[in-house]
Order: sequence, then C-alpha cells, then structure tokens
Amino acid sequence: QVQLVESGGGLVEPGGSLRLSCAASGFTFSDYYLTWIRQVPGKGLEWVSYISVSGTNIYYADSVKGRFTISRDNARNSLYLQMNSLRAEDTALYYCAKGNIASLPSGGMDVWGQGTTVTVSS
Amino acid sequence: DIVLTQSPDSLAVSLGERATINCKSSQSVLYSSNNKNYFAWYQQKPGQPPKLLIYWASTRESGVPDRFSGSGSGTDFTLTISSLQAEDVAIYYCHQYYSIPWTFGQGTKVEIK
Repeated sequence: QVQLVESGGGLVEPGGSLRLSCAASGFTFSDYYLTWIRQVPGKGLEWVSYISVSGTNIYYADSVKGRFTISRDNARNSLYLQMNSLRAEDTALYYCAKGNIASLPSGGMDVWGQGTTVTVSS
Repeated sequence: DIVLTQSPDSLAVSLGERATINCKSSQSVLYSSNNKNYFAWYQQKPGQPPKLLIYWASTRESGVPDRFSGSGSGTDFTLTISSLQAEDVAIYYCHQYYSIPWTFGQGTKVEIK
C-alpha cells in the first residue's frame, strides 16, 4: 500500500545536525511533490519545506531557511531533510507527506508518514 | 504570510448533530486563472498524522464519508460534519497551499457533548 516511513530523528544538542529520511513505497515516487511538516506535541502544524518532482523547485519556511536542506533521490524513492544549526525551537515531530496531485504542488497532502521526533536540548 | 484563523477553538456536539468549523484567511486563496480555491481541511486523531479530508475547498478526498463537506471561497471557508459520529472526535485543521509559506489554521478540537 501507499506508505511513507520517516527515520533519523533523535536527541541532538543545540547547534548540532541531523539528517531525516523518508522512505516511500506503493506509488510512483517521482511523480509527486513531497513536503516536510512539523508539529510540536500538543500544538499545531507548521510547514517546513517542499520539493518538486525533479528537485528543481524548492521552498522553505523562513524559520528554517539557510539551516535546513530538502532533497530527494527518485531512484531510491527517498526524501531527505538535512538539518543544521539546530535550535531548541526545532524540537518537534517531523512528518513527510506526499502531494495529492501528480506533478503539482496542489491539492493538499494525501499521504503522511507517522513522523520522526527531533529533540534539540543540551 | 497568509494567516488562517479557525473558529471556534473547540466545540462539543451531540452524536448525530451537525458540527461546523470556520476558517478565515487573511487574504484570498482563490486563483482567478482556474477559479480554484487552494484550500484544504485535515483531521488529526490522537497519536496519528493528519488525514486529508477536503481539497480545492470542497472536493472530498477518496474514502472520506459524505457526512464531511467543505464550502466557501476566497477568504471564508467552512467544514461541516452533518451528523457527528464517535469516530469524528479529533482536531481539524484548515490549510492553504495558495502561496509560500503554506500555512495552517490553529486547529479546532471536536468532542462529543
């Protein structure tokens, strides 16, 4: 079935780095925009970044711009988020999500992973 | 940035009764070239990721029960649950994908009265 599975979260000190991965299955990975969204436990949703089908169009939230890098490997059906210069306020559950409509950054996100937890603390 | 403000923050509805959630956008999310509202609704149950319910403001996602409906255009949108079921207890979020940064409403918690 269509599935996204995140990994790579953990505990890191302020200023440190982590690389999140999202493994996809059950759909033609290269046909869809992909997104990272985070959620502080008990709080709302915050869009972090998205990447186009070929990886040429990339956008970030201002809160992570210059520190986070999104990328994808269509041959490996995988999405990544390199997180550098981490701050306490980056602590959250990080979800990867698939665009609903092929080739377009539109229609919302119809498949989400279960998330991976990032904790930034000394 | 487009700010989405949901109301109410929470509501309690009796089983079988109607639940209505509103979302107001700080600017229009209607794209004039295709007359589509770049707007969606999600449901999130405890311990689960969000689930897409509605996109293009009123298009129900495949598999979503028809008691869920979306309406509105431009800056004002509504999610209606026509007959609340026990399994609908959740937090509901509105979302705009009209412009970067994509944003979400703060969420509305729906409970059983």
